[in-house]
Amino acid sequence: GAVVSQHPSWVICKSGTSVKIECRSLDFQATTMFWYRQFPKQSLMLMATSNEGSKATYEQGVEKDKFLINHASLTLSTLTVTSAHPEDSSFYICSADTDRLYEQYFGPGTRLTVT
Amino acid sequence: AQSVTQPDIHITVSEGASLELRCNYSYGATPYLFWYVQSPGQGLQLLLKYFSGDTLVQGIKGFEAEFKRSQSSFNLRKPSVHWSDAAEYFCATGSARQLTFGSGTQLTVLP
Repeated sequence: GAVVSQHPSWVICKSGTSVKIECRSLDFQATTMFWYRQFPKQSLMLMATSNEGSKATYEQGVEKDKFLINHASLTLSTLTVTSAHPEDSSFYICSADTDRLYEQYFGPGTRLTVT
Repeated sequence: AQSVTQPDIHITVSEGASLELRCNYSYGATPYLFWYVQSPGQGLQLLLKYFSGDTLVQGIKGFEAEFKRSQSSFNLRKPSVHWSDAAEYFCATGSARQLTFGSGTQLTVLP
């Protein structure tokens, strides 16, 4: 149980285009989802917290107009990288919060490469 | 603010040897502490967690961790490492439904 999927697992896009990443909780309802960014050989940095039916809360320094987050249902959150640039290339990981306090389940990640 | 420090960037052990990965936390109250493992190009898998109670926590894959308040530590241990344990290990602390991760320790297992 408590499986989180992400789609796509990797994507290559051209500079200036937008790309959408989906995060789904497959066998549970997630009221809260989290989006992280991970650079090579580095730790995970929280980008934003997404609550179903409300606006996402972004961490300091994260451009909310560039990284659009939508949490339309209890099983789906999306991250759209708008007008992508090469510096947006990274590994993006989502996680979902269960009803057990502070226990998050992580998706497999999405590798984004902007050329 | 809460923080987690993993002093060792990279550790190499031989298969069958014991393992200890260090984690130090900085938090005023009793922290919620976690250890996650990440295989290359993959997401994170929870190994174990500590909220309260018994300070020695058993996890999956034969891992355990001990919470030591006096040392502000939550070190991960395994008595006999397997080649499949080679991965990146992250210690994390949680508060207000958010996780703060350490910088990670890369584990290499020699045959």
